[in-house]
Amino acid sequence: DTAVSQTPKYLVTQMGNDKSIKCEQNLGHDTMYWYKQDSKKFLKIMFSYNNKELIINETVPNRFSPKSPDKAHLNLHINSLELGDSAVYFCASSRQIASPTYEQYFGPGTRLTVT
Amino acid sequence: GESVGLHLPTLSVQEGDNSIINCAYSNSASDYFIWYKQESGKGPQFIIDIRSNMDKRQGQRVTVLLNKTVKHLSLQIAATQPGDSAVYFCAERPSSGYALNFGKGTSLLVTP
Repeated sequence: DTAVSQTPKYLVTQMGNDKSIKCEQNLGHDTMYWYKQDSKKFLKIMFSYNNKELIINETVPNRFSPKSPDKAHLNLHINSLELGDSAVYFCASSRQIASPTYEQYFGPGTRLTVT
Repeated sequence: GESVGLHLPTLSVQEGDNSIINCAYSNSASDYFIWYKQESGKGPQFIIDIRSNMDKRQGQRVTVLLNKTVKHLSLQIAATQPGDSAVYFCAERPSSGYALNFGKGTSLLVTP
């Protein structure tokens, strides 16, 4: 059983388009995250939701908008895609953010290529 | 600003040898540290964690050492196997925040 799943795994699109990446976790976790991994493998937090409430919103362009319809889902919508948005996007989840065990479970990633 | 970094970007070891991957952090307020392993084409996978009130923690074939005096974290892998070949990340969380800050990653290559 997949713990954290993302769709699609690969996404190729043209500049200016709008696209969404979906994430679902079946671990019963309260907190979900979106990370961006660049070509040098650097992982950077973008957003975090705890019980459907936005708690982390790093400095990302407002073209990126997370949406959490329920605790098990955190989708990422990107408007007006730019070349620099090309990266691998990872969804992750963890127990309550204040939990002493802070292990985050990552999804398989979505490789976004903007042409 | 505060950062988490790794001393070596790549590490090549022979199968059966022990591996040591090092990580320096600069935020003295960090209270929680994690090591992740990322295989090609996959998401990061939890290996081991340690809280700031400890200086050593052992798992299966892995040991994490924390030296708060010099703000240094290391991951030791015993009897390294080809399946250990991956990129390894350390991450830290400040006691006042929620986000994990990841280091740049070390690529471990295990040769037969």
